[in-house]
Amino acid sequence: QVQLQESGPGLVKPSETLSLICTVSGGSVRSSYWSWIRQPPGKTLEWIGYMSYIGSSSYNPSLKSRVTMSVDLSKNQFSLKLSSVTAADTAVYYCAGSSGSSWNFDSWGQGTLVTVSS
Amino acid sequence: DIQMTQSPSTLSASVGDRVTITCRASQSILGWLAWYQQKPGKAPKVLIYKASTLESGVPPRFSGSGSGTEFTLTISSLQPDDFATYYCQQYNSFPFTFGPGTKVDIK
Repeated sequence: QVQLQESGPGLVKPSETLSLICTVSGGSVRSSYWSWIRQPPGKTLEWIGYMSYIGSSSYNPSLKSRVTMSVDLSKNQFSLKLSSVTAADTAVYYCAGSSGSSWNFDSWGQGTLVTVSS
Repeated sequence: DIQMTQSPSTLSASVGDRVTITCRASQSILGWLAWYQQKPGKAPKVLIYKASTLESGVPPRFSGSGSGTEFTLTISSLQPDDFATYYCQQYNSFPFTFGPGTKVDIK
């Protein structure tokens, strides 16, 4: 079974860039579509976007101008960069995978809290 | 974007109760809907996908139905492990969107 683990700074200053990495174990980064999803404290889930190892991607229009996603085949990882962050970007960030013919998320990382504060 | 709504927002129930949660989409999503269970401090876990397909390993007391714009998640006999928040998610079109959640707590 695929396992995902997010890593990255837990505190980012306003206007800076949030950078997170998701490491895939028990499977290959070539095997699924990979998404980032976030959840502000006490709120619902927000899909940020997805990418695949062959380069297909789609980003949420609400964040598109600030989002970059990439895949590192050699390290079996994928990453998220979110630029010009504000306090509104404070959330638990999850990486997730969609492995079958359906776009539901069947694997999830444990989540990492990123706080935007000076 | 497709807007997802859920009702009720909170549901108080007892062990053994039959529980139904409704999810509505702002436009037709055919059958492209998933249900997730989330416990405090944990990642969501998929229960149902394609509106009615049970994810492997999920107890059969969970079931899903619906198509188009209206969907339901039913727990046939609520168990202590089922007290959690439940979210629906559409994946008919980008951007994927989630409902606001339904918290199932102990009556």
